[in-house]
Amino acid sequence: GDSVTQMEGPVTLSEEAFLTINCTYTATGYPSLFWYVQYPGEGLQLLLKATKADDKGSNKGFEATYRKETTSFHLEKGSVQVSDSAVYFCALWPPPAGGGNKLTFGTGTQLKVEL
Amino acid sequence: GAVVSQHPSWVICKSGTSVKIECRSLDFQATTMFWYRQFPKQSLMLMATSNEGSKATYEQGVEKDKFLINHASLTLSTLTVTSAHPEDSSFYICSARDRLSSGGTSSYNEQFFGPGTRLTVL
Repeated sequence: GDSVTQMEGPVTLSEEAFLTINCTYTATGYPSLFWYVQYPGEGLQLLLKATKADDKGSNKGFEATYRKETTSFHLEKGSVQVSDSAVYFCALWPPPAGGGNKLTFGTGTQLKVEL
Repeated sequence: GAVVSQHPSWVICKSGTSVKIECRSLDFQATTMFWYRQFPKQSLMLMATSNEGSKATYEQGVEKDKFLINHASLTLSTLTVTSAHPEDSSFYICSARDRLSSGGTSSYNEQFFGPGTRLTVL
């Protein structure tokens, strides 16, 4: 079945540091890929998405590129801020031909950004 | 943006009692709502898919008689944990899919998540 693997946290960075959170997936065909963010006490919010190979999703300075050859969708940001502290979830949605109809999530990676 | 609320945000109950959790889409209509369970340091696990006006579809291993789901309107779904036990303690999260949104080239229609409900069963 479909699965998503992301790096364990917590990840602790200083403000303005470069961020990478790795995410790899297992799925047939070309799933849609997502990054969700969960701020303390809030629900998950869609951060960015990519629906086909080589697409780059971007939002709020975060980027992720859909790499079919490495089945990866790593999240990056050039300069993190304290306000980026949250839990980040990588997720996939199966392609239409796959017949599935549910999001599959990774375990989440907690990011802590310190001054 | 689309907002989904959950009530209560946390609840503590005694073993053997039932607890109802509400999930509401505040500014859109949701024909489909999803209920997830999240254990500490683990991923969100889909429990069931709830379609307005019809019976919920439960994932394998989820007891439908224990986790009762009702989706009576386009803006409200409820999850009732019946005869709760300590092992039911968890973080329950709902999401709702806007019936008007389109997935484009993907079959995916964006889901909007609630803030979650922390259930503790003593």
